[in-house]
Amino acid sequence: KQEVTQIPAALSVPEGENLVLNCSFTDSAIYNLQWFRQDPGKGLTSLLLIQSSQREQTSGRLNASLDKSSGRSTLYIAASQPGDSATYLCAVGGWVGGKLIFGQGTELSVKP
Amino acid sequence: DAGITQSPRYKITETGRQVTLMCHQTWSHSYMFWYRQDLGHGLRLIYYSAAADITDKGEVPDGYVVSRSKTENFPLTLESATRSQTSVYFCASSDSNSPLHFGNGTRLTVT
Repeated sequence: KQEVTQIPAALSVPEGENLVLNCSFTDSAIYNLQWFRQDPGKGLTSLLLIQSSQREQTSGRLNASLDKSSGRSTLYIAASQPGDSATYLCAVGGWVGGKLIFGQGTELSVKP
Repeated sequence: DAGITQSPRYKITETGRQVTLMCHQTWSHSYMFWYRQDLGHGLRLIYYSAAADITDKGEVPDGYVVSRSKTENFPLTLESATRSQTSVYFCASSDSNSPLHFGNGTRLTVT
């Protein structure tokens, strides 16, 4: 059974700092991995989608990497801003269009 | 506007009542999902659908019923609501290689 773990559960950093969020999964036979952002009281917004054949994806200040063999993904946020404060979740998919298994999320707070 | 819409946004119901949560998407995505989000449990899949008239159970399906007669709609029904079904419910949709798109959720309270 696939299990997804995110460490740390919460993180507080000063504005401008570069930071890394970690995601690990137990079964390396994944189809894709997605990173989401969730603001309080809102739904989830997709940030980056990495297919199993890819090593990384970038969008603006965000970079996500995938290492299937070690069962790990990282989300790198450059030059963090207070507006980046949210909960970040990673999720792995086992087949095309398939259900995702979510981690518990990392709650990020960026202090001005 | 294209997107995924859930209704109602908030719902309070009594134990034993039947309640239906609605989900509508305008992308014509093949896949649709219902998740519930609870403190300490994260997001858990209730039911999913690969196409109209094709549905399957997720991790926590007991007490729930779904249908998908049209591609764009995927309602979730709680047949006889229980307090343990108090939660935030999220509908989502995707296509084969697209990211998962979520609605804004329905906050359900069962008293």
